[in-house]
Amino acid sequence: DIQMTQSPSSLSASVGDRVTITCRASQSISSYLNWYQQKPGKAPKLLIYAASSLQSGIPSRFSGSGSGTDFTLTISSLQPGDLATYYCQQSYSTPRTFGQGTKVEIK
Amino acid sequence: QVQLVQSGAEVKMPGASVKVSCKASGYTFTGYYLHWVRQAPGQGLEWMGWINPNDGVTNYAQNFQGRVTMTRDTSINTAYMDLSRLRSDDTAVYYCARNDILDVWGQGTTVTVSS
Repeated sequence: DIQMTQSPSSLSASVGDRVTITCRASQSISSYLNWYQQKPGKAPKLLIYAASSLQSGIPSRFSGSGSGTDFTLTISSLQPGDLATYYCQQSYSTPRTFGQGTKVEIK
Repeated sequence: QVQLVQSGAEVKMPGASVKVSCKASGYTFTGYYLHWVRQAPGQGLEWMGWINPNDGVTNYAQNFQGRVTMTRDTSINTAYMDLSRLRSDDTAVYYCARNDILDVWGQGTTVTVSS
């Protein structure tokens, strides 16, 4: 199975800050990497697919980069509504695996 | 609009089975794989498997092999996830999600396993 490791596990940042979350795969997954946002009590929502493609309707302050084993989700200017847990997931092979999540809090 | 609507919350005894449904609307049901993902209280996301609604072919995570069955009824655009021999650690919210990139999610179904 491919292991997905996210860092940090949690972070606290101010409104307007640039926030970066990293995700590392235990083997190369090309660009088969997706990012999800989960707000408390809600289902996850797709933000980024294929490592860097912005899902329709998602604000442009969210961006993704990387390929192979190392990936990054960036929020260019943190907003109050971005309070959530963010997960990466590989869709390269089965079983599909998720990172453990990064909880983003607003200072 | 494209949506997945899941069945309501369930409370089950240990050893019982549960069947969760996921009704699709707004798109061609047979055109996209459906995945099932669960989330235990306070925990992360765990992938359970997928079903191809077009032909019924399934792929299950090893952790659930022998206990999970995914089926579909194309006449009513509905997929089902059946989990048997329930244990207390199966208490979780169960989600269905469309497509390999999980672009559309159901609202989740809470399954509580308790004696």
